[in-house]
Amino acid sequence: RKEVEQDPGPFNVPEGATVAFNCTYSNSASQSFFWYRQDCRKEPKLLMSVYSSGNEDGRFTAQLNRASQYISLLIRDSKLSDSATYLCVVNRGTGAGSYQLTFGKGTKLSVIP
Amino acid sequence: NAGVTQTPKFRILKIGQSMTLQCTQDMNHNYMYWYRQDPGMGLKLIYYSVGAGITDKGEVPNGYNVSRSTTEDFPLRLELAAPSQTSVYFCASSPQGPPYEQYFGPGTRLTVT
Repeated sequence: RKEVEQDPGPFNVPEGATVAFNCTYSNSASQSFFWYRQDCRKEPKLLMSVYSSGNEDGRFTAQLNRASQYISLLIRDSKLSDSATYLCVVNRGTGAGSYQLTFGKGTKLSVIP
Repeated sequence: NAGVTQTPKFRILKIGQSMTLQCTQDMNHNYMYWYRQDPGMGLKLIYYSVGAGITDKGEVPNGYNVSRSTTEDFPLRLELAAPSQTSVYFCASSPQGPPYEQYFGPGTRLTVT
């Protein structure tokens, strides 16, 4: 099983649609979880951290299921500006692994007018 | 705050040449990282540092060297460039504490021919 696995997409959705991305991770010792977005030919930017209780930031909702080692990101009311690649990111566990991150290859989203 | 800055933005090297990729952060972060990203692939950790004078290897350190003489700067040295080092290089930094979210520089696009 890959360390962090995501559906590469692309997901092509109309403006205003709701879209969900999923991610699975293999290291049960992982304790920190994030979603980053990466625009074409740009650096990854932190979108949101993911907490066990789930968290929401405007139109974005992230969920974590530790038992299934599964992370999700829901985007409501999609905007053209949401078009990007979304990276699922987890840390490598405890000790030195706590501050080392493993990045998924990303899921590409295109929002269509 | 400029955040994380990297120079140069682009570089073309001939096989066997050497160069240094510069990275500076002004967020007073102790932890810094170098990644490479190949097309369609996730980010791979090259080297990281937990403070001035302390560096350690990541997943793909061969062909690279680093130093960390100050909190702000974390240069990456390529010796004897090879075509396999053609990639986009990102520098990142993170606070010294969980969840260790990382902030990225704009990247250096390197081509070795």
